[in-house]
Amino acid sequence: AQSVTQLGSHVSVSEGALVLLRCNYSSSVPPYLFWYVQYPNQGLQLLLKYTTGATLVKGINGFEAEFKKSETSFHLTKPSAHMSDAAEYFCAVRMYNQGGKLIFGQGTELSVKP
Amino acid sequence: DVKVTQSSRYLVKRTGEKVFLECVQDMDHENMFWYRQDPGLGLRLIYFSYDVKMKEKGDIPEGYSVSREKKERFSLILESASTNQTSMYLCASSFSGTGPYEQYFGPGTRLTVT
Repeated sequence: AQSVTQLGSHVSVSEGALVLLRCNYSSSVPPYLFWYVQYPNQGLQLLLKYTTGATLVKGINGFEAEFKKSETSFHLTKPSAHMSDAAEYFCAVRMYNQGGKLIFGQGTELSVKP
Repeated sequence: DVKVTQSSRYLVKRTGEKVFLECVQDMDHENMFWYRQDPGLGLRLIYFSYDVKMKEKGDIPEGYSVSREKKERFSLILESASTNQTSMYLCASSFSGTGPYEQYFGPGTRLTVT
């Protein structure tokens, strides 16, 4: 079965520091890849997605992610954290033959210290 | 903008009650999904529907049923609510097919069963 692993359930950074949230998937065939953000007591909002083509994907709020097929990874980064980035982040994959279902990672809670 | 709305943000029910959670989307999406979200467990798929009157069990369907009589509406039913169904419930929708279609999420319903 396909799986998505997010390394670290909690990540804490200082304001202005680099944000790096890790995501690895298990598939021999590159899937579609997504990062979602969830603010407290809200639904999930799409940050960015990888389909085909350029492996560096830019999203909203200054986030970007790089697809690395050889490492089966899709890590999320932001050069400079802001207090408003504190939220939970989910990585997800969609396989071509799964009828639209997404497989989610367990989530990483990002804290930003002043 | 895609809108996915859920009938209640917060709901308190008693053990044994029948509970209906409603979800409506306005983007003519074929697929609709119900998830529950619990701390440390991420998002778990309860049911999904790929067309009117069509449904498929997800990872944790026990204790739940669903109904999709119209394309835009997908209902989750707890036949006899129990305290272990206290959770955040998220509805989502997407286009079907093999394309890189993301899921759009509603704001969630936080259900407490006492």
